[in-house]
Amino acid sequence: KNQVEQSPQSLIILEGKNCTLQCNYTVSPFSNLRWYKQDTGRGPVSLTIMTFSENTKSNGRYTATLDADTKQSSLHITASQLSDSASYICVVSATGGFKTIFGAGTRLFVKA
Amino acid sequence: ETGVTQSPTHLIKTRGQQVTLRCSSQSGHNTVSWYQQALGQGPQFIFQYYREEENGRGNFPPRFSGLQFPNYSSELNVNALELDDSALYLCASSFSTGRNGELFFGEGSRLTVL
Repeated sequence: KNQVEQSPQSLIILEGKNCTLQCNYTVSPFSNLRWYKQDTGRGPVSLTIMTFSENTKSNGRYTATLDADTKQSSLHITASQLSDSASYICVVSATGGFKTIFGAGTRLFVKA
Repeated sequence: ETGVTQSPTHLIKTRGQQVTLRCSSQSGHNTVSWYQQALGQGPQFIFQYYREEENGRGNFPPRFSGLQFPNYSSELNVNALELDDSALYLCASSFSTGRNGELFFGEGSRLTVL
């Protein structure tokens, strides 16, 4: 069964600290993995996209990694800011058809 | 801003009623996908439209239907509303139906069914 599991479910950190969010998937055959940021009540915004051959991708203070062998990805946020408070959703697509599976997201709270 | 606009932003309906949600895709995009996102959950794929034809469907009943117009804008219609239909409905446009097609999301329509 194609699944995307994210951990932790929620996370509270202090402003300026780093954090890492995890994504494990069983989607197969793998095509690409994306991380989205979703502010409360708003639409998701793309942060990174990685294909099978890529194992790291950065977008400013956001760095995503991918291990296609273990089917794991992480999103590392450096020097967190209050505006980083949001849900971070991992999305995995399979080749062919419409197998694009969304994780439930990790809710990040950054406190001053 | 993604260039994808949805309307209305919020609406309240009662059980059994019908609702129509609208989406204008980003300029140049020919594909629109609709998602339902319950509170605290990830988006669930409803269906996708490509060049005015339904091009894929998730696990949603037939009372969820849609349209895509020649200008690639789209509508999501839900008949016989149920309480569990309360959710944020997201529209995403892309340039193609391909698996690598970047999805650009609108801000969503928040539907509450009483």
